[in-house]
Amino acid sequence: EVQLVQSGAEVKKPGESLKISCKGSGYSFTSYWIGWVRQMPGKGLEWMGIIYPGDSDTRYSPSFQGQVTISADKSISTAYLQWSSLKASDTAMYYCARRVVVVTAGDAFDIWGQGTMVTVSS
Amino acid sequence: DIQMTQSPSSLSASVGDRVTITCRASQGISNYLAWYQQKPGKVPKLLIYAASTLQSGVPSRFSGSGSGTDFTLTISSLQPEDVATYYCQKSGDFGPGTKVDIK
Repeated sequence: EVQLVQSGAEVKKPGESLKISCKGSGYSFTSYWIGWVRQMPGKGLEWMGIIYPGDSDTRYSPSFQGQVTISADKSISTAYLQWSSLKASDTAMYYCARRVVVVTAGDAFDIWGQGTMVTVSS
Repeated sequence: DIQMTQSPSSLSASVGDRVTITCRASQGISNYLAWYQQKPGKVPKLLIYAASTLQSGVPSRFSGSGSGTDFTLTISSLQPEDVATYYCQKSGDFGPGTKVDIK
């Protein structure tokens, strides 16, 4: 079964660092981009960035560039999303998702992780 | 940056009704559009990609159409389990979502 399994919920204080994970299984992890999507409480989906685990090529949304770091360890089929200094406004659900590219027809996220809730509060 | 808009932002319809949601891109995107369904408290699910191709396992009452800047997601006969928020997406940009519930 193709799946992405994310790390568990986190409660952190402002200024703390955090790294959450997304482990892929059931497919060739190095052959598909992995994306990260933020959903703040009661709000819509926001595309944060993507990484190609095969060569760690990474692209960020301008809104998230410099705010987070996306990485991957292909040896353990895991992608990561990390913050060096959390803010209360980082409180959200974070999803990883597998990106499929359809030749001449764009791309989409076909497999999603279960989500990781990050709460930042003093 | 391409801006994606959706209309309406919410709608209420009866079981069995035909429901149409519109997504508009600020510039032409060919057929590079996907649609997702997110039920309350659940993970988003891919419904349609390449504007009109139904993802495997998605009920045939869902369909997508459009090209260029204007796209539609249609539910031919609304069912109670279709209560959800629907998002369109072009690569790095999601639309704001359309919330669908039962009248």
